[in-house]
Amino acid sequence: ETGVTQSPTHLIKTRGQQVTLRCSSQSGHNTVSWYQQALGQGPQFIFQYYREEENGRGNFPPRFSGLQFPNYSSELNVNALELDDSALYLCASSLFRGLINEQFFGPGTRLTVL
Amino acid sequence: AQTVTQSQPEMSVQEAETVTLSCTYDTSESNYYLFWYKQPPSRQMILVIRQEAYKQQNATENRFSVNFQKAAKSFSLKISDSQLGDTAMYFCAFMGDSNYQLIWGAGTKLIIKP
Repeated sequence: ETGVTQSPTHLIKTRGQQVTLRCSSQSGHNTVSWYQQALGQGPQFIFQYYREEENGRGNFPPRFSGLQFPNYSSELNVNALELDDSALYLCASSLFRGLINEQFFGPGTRLTVL
Repeated sequence: AQTVTQSQPEMSVQEAETVTLSCTYDTSESNYYLFWYKQPPSRQMILVIRQEAYKQQNATENRFSVNFQKAAKSFSLKISDSQLGDTAMYFCAFMGDSNYQLIWGAGTKLIIKP
């Protein structure tokens, strides 16, 4: 059983650029959630994808968008990068069973916006 | 809206001692789940223990146990016989039954000294 993987590990971009972060879910999982963790803070929920559809969204602007593919892997896209987008981006996969949705996390992607 | 509060930014104990991390939360939901996650310097978020609100019995996982006080909306984590490998950020998180996003506290930095 493979765990959750994310790529790239680190990324440096400049203001105004666009970035795509990738996540491969754990084997057997059908749901992916994305979180933003600013330095020294707890994670903030961005959105969740279930069976290729957005299943919930946190308080993030539309320039944060996502995709989930038929193999349940996922992408997080951020357009028009701002300095405040610098953070650790965590992906978590889970098996949506209608009850508890225990989430398993990847190692994260550290995004730095200059 | 649900909130999670961790009032201890940092704690430090000697190896083999017992330490308790505090967490309080606010919700109007009757059924929900509570979690403690550990985030070591490697950044990967690791589930330590979870508690279903409908269960009165406190969850236990080896050296880790919780004190769940539903009426007080308190969910503390006790680590017995602390080890150097327990050094990490610890996050308390809430998941309501009506949605599947995790709401996180700001974290407690735990340092285990040799």
